[in-house]
Amino acid sequence: EVQLVESGGGLVQPGGSLRLSCAASGFTFSLYGMSWVRQAPGRGLEWVSYINSSESTIFYADSVKGRFTISRDNAKDSLYLQMNSLTADDTAVYYCARDTAVDLDYWGQGTLVTVSS
Amino acid sequence: QSVLTQPPSASGTPGRRVTISCSRTSSNIENNAVNWFQQLPRTAPKLLIYNDNQRPSGVPDRFSGSKSGTSASLAISGLQPEDEGDYYCAAWDDSLNGWVFGGGTRLTVL
Repeated sequence: EVQLVESGGGLVQPGGSLRLSCAASGFTFSLYGMSWVRQAPGRGLEWVSYINSSESTIFYADSVKGRFTISRDNAKDSLYLQMNSLTADDTAVYYCARDTAVDLDYWGQGTLVTVSS
Repeated sequence: QSVLTQPPSASGTPGRRVTISCSRTSSNIENNAVNWFQQLPRTAPKLLIYNDNQRPSGVPDRFSGSKSGTSASLAISGLQPEDEGDYYCAAWDDSLNGWVFGGGTRLTVL
């Protein structure tokens, strides 16, 4: 069974940093691209970043470019999102999702990031 | 403003059929497949339809997808109370190099 479990969310002050993790199991992690998608409270879904299986291709949404860094450790079956210079607009539930390039076929349960003083 | 436009709400009574539209406003996703996601209250999104009209294993055949021209649609037949939630369309944008989502449609089962 495919499982994705996010962690690392919490309360952070504006301008601060946070690192999210996504632990994958139930599939060969090293063969799949992965994406982060976020959802602000009461709002819709917003794609954040994509990384392919070998880390050779990485994309970011304009809203996070230059502040967020996506990475992965295939040996640990883990995906990461380093978030710097956080603002209130980054407050959201962050989901990791398996990205097949055709769809986002499995999602984690999400981790809440709150940016507030 | 999203390049994929959905109605903010839809409703239907149990047993009836409801459709949710998703209109494309950018040529950047013209040749790319549309996916649909279901988000029930207080849960993570779940893939409902991929590649315009394909159902993942385990998704009931009450759910169907179609695409014609600049529009895609999700149809739900035999509406059930547990179908109540938010539905999102999405497609890969070749210009943005990222996924774009519609604004979401809240389905209410009356």
